Amino acid sequence: DQQVKQNSPSLSVQEGRISILNCDYTNSMFDYFLWYKKYPAEGPTFLISISSIKDKNEDGRFTVFLNKSAKHLSLHIVPSQPGDSAVYFCAASAKGNDMRFGAGTRLTVKP
Amino acid sequence: DTAVSQTPKYLVTQMGNDKSIKCEQNLGHDTMYWYKQDSKKFLKIMFSYNNKELIINETVPNRFSPKSPDKAHLNLHINSLELGDSAVYFCASSQVLYSGNTIYFGEGSWLTVV
Repeated sequence: DQQVKQNSPSLSVQEGRISILNCDYTNSMFDYFLWYKKYPAEGPTFLISISSIKDKNEDGRFTVFLNKSAKHLSLHIVPSQPGDSAVYFCAASAKGNDMRFGAGTRLTVKP
Repeated sequence: DTAVSQTPKYLVTQMGNDKSIKCEQNLGHDTMYWYKQDSKKFLKIMFSYNNKELIINETVPNRFSPKSPDKAHLNLHINSLELGDSAVYFCASSQVLYSGNTIYFGEGSWLTVV
C-alpha cells in the first residue's frame, strides 16, 4: 500500500527554468510532509518540510506547496541549477507514526 | 565528523551466508532506524529503535534482526541471505520518533546476494 506516490520517475529541465516535482498521498492522517534530496551513492538529505496547517513554505529557491483537499504537494525549484540534479523523495508522516516515502523523481537540470 | 555512518558501504555475498551491517550516529539522537530501498526504489521502514528499545518492526522476515547495544548504535544482522535481500539499506536517526522532526540518513549499504 503505497500511501505516498510520485508518479513521475524522471524530470528534465533547462538551467534557469522552474522545476516542479509532484507528490500525491492517500492517508488523510498525514500531518507533516518533507522533501529529501539524494545524490548517487549518498543517503537522502533533508531539503524542506511543511506542516499540514500551512499551504506554502519557502526556503530560498525551494518552495513546497500543500493542497490538503487534493492530497497533493509539490516542490518548486526556481531557478533550477545543474547542481540540483538528484533524486527527490517526497515523505509524509502522521503524528506518532512512521514516515512513508515515495519512490522518488530523478531531476536532471541541463546547462 | 559524519553524522550517521554505516559499514560496509558495499557487500557482495553468497546465498545462505550471514552478514551484518553496522550503524553509528554521533548526533545524540534517541531514535534510530533501518530502511530498505527496494528494486522499485521505494524507501521502506524496517525497524525503529528508541533508546535501545524496538518501537517499529514492519513485516520483515525473522532472518533480519536488529541489535542496539546503545543509543548511538543500531546494527542489522541478516541470516541465511536470499537473492531477494539484494537492496540498498539505509540507517537513519532522529531526535524523537517522527514527531515532525527530520531524519538524518547514512550513505547506504549496497548489499548484493549472488
